[in-house]
Amino acid sequence: GAGVSQSPRYKVAKRGQDVALRCDPISGHVSLFWYQQALGQGPEFLTYFQNEAQLDKSGLPSDRFFAERPEGSVSTLKIQRTQQEDSAVYLCASQSRSGPEAFFGQGTRLTVV
Amino acid sequence: AQKVTQAQTEISVVEKEDVTLDCVYETRDTTYYLFWYKQPPSGELVFLIRRNSFDEQNEISGRYSWNFQKSTSSFNFTITASQVVDSAVYFCALDIMNRDDKIIFGKGTRLHILP
Repeated sequence: GAGVSQSPRYKVAKRGQDVALRCDPISGHVSLFWYQQALGQGPEFLTYFQNEAQLDKSGLPSDRFFAERPEGSVSTLKIQRTQQEDSAVYLCASQSRSGPEAFFGQGTRLTVV
Repeated sequence: AQKVTQAQTEISVVEKEDVTLDCVYETRDTTYYLFWYKQPPSGELVFLIRRNSFDEQNEISGRYSWNFQKSTSSFNFTITASQVVDSAVYFCALDIMNRDDKIIFGKGTRLHILP
């Protein structure tokens, strides 16, 4: 596609529910990042993939957070047993080999009630 | 450790005024990239510019200009003759070269352009 696509745009989850957030990167982009953006804050790194390999997951806040990119294209960020502090916008970005700038999707706004 | 500081949390200016957004970064690495991104109300982060650490030339693109000074570790962004459509949150960011690594963002500056 023309840009990074994320779905759903909005998700309301009851505390304790599992959620899955999807990211479709720009076609051909090797690198994929997930960021978490709390209200009024800058994006905070969660995890990074190069193709299907998860090279850095140091930003995942707990073992309830899990990300995968099994075929090196689409990625899913899963949050198990959601808690209120998980409420945030989750941003996905992809990056080509030719330049360091990352291109972001519109994000998924997760609200845990 | 790397860090990006945007000291201005929120700025309001009247349309057609010039405005400068400040960015100060910290890193011990000598080769790195600096970025500015714009986040309009729709939420998507829009890439504006990238500078390399070894290229201190200032850059102008239409009403936008960037002033990179390694001596003060600053990468400031100026909008000339601001317009209402410039209203957004602006983020400065840092990425270390030759490392498969994350981009580090500042906390952002919310810019309001008043008609």
